[in-house]
Amino acid sequence: GENVEQHPSTLSVQEGDSAVIKCTYSDSASNYFPWYKQELGKGPQLIIDIRSNVGEKKDQRIAVTLNKTAKHFSLHITETQPEDSAVYFCAAENSGGYQKVTFGTGTKLQVIP
Amino acid sequence: SQTIHQWPATLVQPVGSPLSLECTVEGTSNPNLYWYRQAAGRGLQLLFYSVGIGQISSEVPQNLSASRPQDRQFILSSKKLLLSDSGFYLCAWRDFDGGEQFFGPGTRLTVL
Repeated sequence: GENVEQHPSTLSVQEGDSAVIKCTYSDSASNYFPWYKQELGKGPQLIIDIRSNVGEKKDQRIAVTLNKTAKHFSLHITETQPEDSAVYFCAAENSGGYQKVTFGTGTKLQVIP
Repeated sequence: SQTIHQWPATLVQPVGSPLSLECTVEGTSNPNLYWYRQAAGRGLQLLFYSVGIGQISSEVPQNLSASRPQDRQFILSSKKLLLSDSGFYLCAWRDFDGGEQFFGPGTRLTVL
């Protein structure tokens, strides 16, 4: 089955700096890669996703890059703000498979004002 | 618009007692449904998923079970809770053809 590794597990940055979270996956058939943000005591919410036919996607301060050859993808947050503090999860899925998403172990991001 | 409900929000149960957590989705038909568990400070562990009524796939062998008696209802159960069952339980849904998962507000379960 799919295995997703995520690094780092914790990340502290100064407000205004950039944050990068990296994930690797094992199943070359995976073709959908979402990123979720989870605030304390709440369920995760999708912030951005990318499909395997695209190498990069950007939405305001958030961007995701995908390297299919190396089987890794990354989340980039620029100009970080205190409200970006949360746990971030990457995930991978073969959308032609069993409708099952495999999540990474999460990164706790702290933005220091 | 679609909404997902989970209840109860918090639950404290003694070891050996039964469990029933309910999840319902509104505003969509034939969704894929998921139960996840999140231990303190840990990632999301997929417990069960369902692609239709009565169709349940189990990811982790344990003393939990799931049922889907109606199209938009997903129930997580246990006959006898263990201390290790404590955690944050999340229900999620998505369209049958994939894409974004929408998570419920979660149930915080503490087994004493």
